[in-house]
Amino acid sequence: DVKVTQSSRYLVKRTGEKVFLECVQDMDHENMFWYRQDPGLGLRLIYFSYDVKMKEKGDIPEGYSVSREKKERFSLILESASTNQTSMYLCASSLPTGAAYEQYFGPGTRLTVT
Amino acid sequence: GDSVTQMEGPVTLSEEAFLTINCTYTATGYPSLFWYVQYPGEGLQLLLKATKADDKGSNKGFEATYRKETTSFHLEKGSVQVSDSAVYFCALSRAGRRALTFGSGTRLQVQP
Repeated sequence: DVKVTQSSRYLVKRTGEKVFLECVQDMDHENMFWYRQDPGLGLRLIYFSYDVKMKEKGDIPEGYSVSREKKERFSLILESASTNQTSMYLCASSLPTGAAYEQYFGPGTRLTVT
Repeated sequence: GDSVTQMEGPVTLSEEAFLTINCTYTATGYPSLFWYVQYPGEGLQLLLKATKADDKGSNKGFEATYRKETTSFHLEKGSVQVSDSAVYFCALSRAGRRALTFGSGTRLQVQP
């Protein structure tokens, strides 16, 4: 079974702190994604990566950056956390084949910024 | 741009009731359509998918048919169980875009 793990289930940080969210997948998938999930808004794409060191902005990249130094690991970085970044963050991975591929999700990290 | 619209929740049903969760989409070309489910405290799991018009996806008693003429992919189940209580997301993907476009999600609550 494909497994996507995220470093923390719950995280509490202070405004202005630098925050790292880590995601690891064990299926050698090329694509990895970071979404944030907010009530009534569904999932919104922050960034994705289609290869090591390659990344593209999603729909809401402001205030975030990412790093992919190894194929299995994709990190989301909040350079200076703000209260409006309090949310559930979901990592996903997938193969790069066509339009019918499935994305596999991690359990999520619920981040609270105080 | 692409978009997915789902009916607002929560949807509250009694056990063994019939379920319909509506989903309509806007997209260029011929997208693939998905339903994902998120159980409490967990990430999303693929429930079913359909890749072309008139395809029917099915899994665990749930079904959805890709209707291109009405741009819809409604989720149905004939008899829900308490264990089906979860949030359901409709999503689409299309060639040339790696990421999925998700709807806002519909919470289903099934009461014994």
